[in-house]
Amino acid sequence: DTAVSQTPKYLVTQMGNDKSIKCEQNLGHDTMYWYKQDSKKFLKIMFSYNNKELIINETVPNRFSPKSPDKAHLNLHINSLELGDSAVYFCASSPGNQARSSYEQYFGPGTRLTVT
Amino acid sequence: QKEVEQDPGPLSVPEGAIVSLNCTYSNSAFQYFMWYRQYSRKGPELLMYTYSSGNKEDGRFTAQVDKSSKYISLFIRDSQPSDSATYLCAMSARRDDKIIFGKGTRLHILP
Repeated sequence: DTAVSQTPKYLVTQMGNDKSIKCEQNLGHDTMYWYKQDSKKFLKIMFSYNNKELIINETVPNRFSPKSPDKAHLNLHINSLELGDSAVYFCASSPGNQARSSYEQYFGPGTRLTVT
Repeated sequence: QKEVEQDPGPLSVPEGAIVSLNCTYSNSAFQYFMWYRQYSRKGPELLMYTYSSGNKEDGRFTAQVDKSSKYISLFIRDSQPSDSATYLCAMSARRDDKIIFGKGTRLHILP
């Protein structure tokens, strides 16, 4: 069983379109994250949710909107896609409770987004 | 100055060699130090973590933290071709804080 899964794995779309990426974790973790990894492999956090509540919201254009329907799912919707949005987007989860730190993060396989 | 600096490599070493990977950082509040390994076209996976200063060993891997110099290292002994990957250092200030990643060092172990 895949611990953290993302769909789709690849996404090719045109500028101006709206797209969504879905993430699910079956680890029973409380905290989930979205990261962006650019072409230079720099991995940067975008959002973090703990038990469906937004706790980290980095400086990200408001075209990006995360949604957490329950603590096992965290989706990312992107409006009006731009060329600069091309990157690999990773979902991750961590236990996030007091006994264990957020440093122990489990990453999904990534969604490779290409905007043309 | 970036919060976390890491030489992107690539670093190529022969099989069996000892590999040394390093990061420097500027934020003295960092207390949790991690190394993640990322194979090509995969998500990062946690390799090791250390709290505050000191050494930690796990099999062929040793993580070192020198907070006075703001310098962390990962040593890989008896390197194998399967160790070829990108190694990302990562840090956070608090248990529940966001993680700041280095840009990663690409490592190639030559058979």
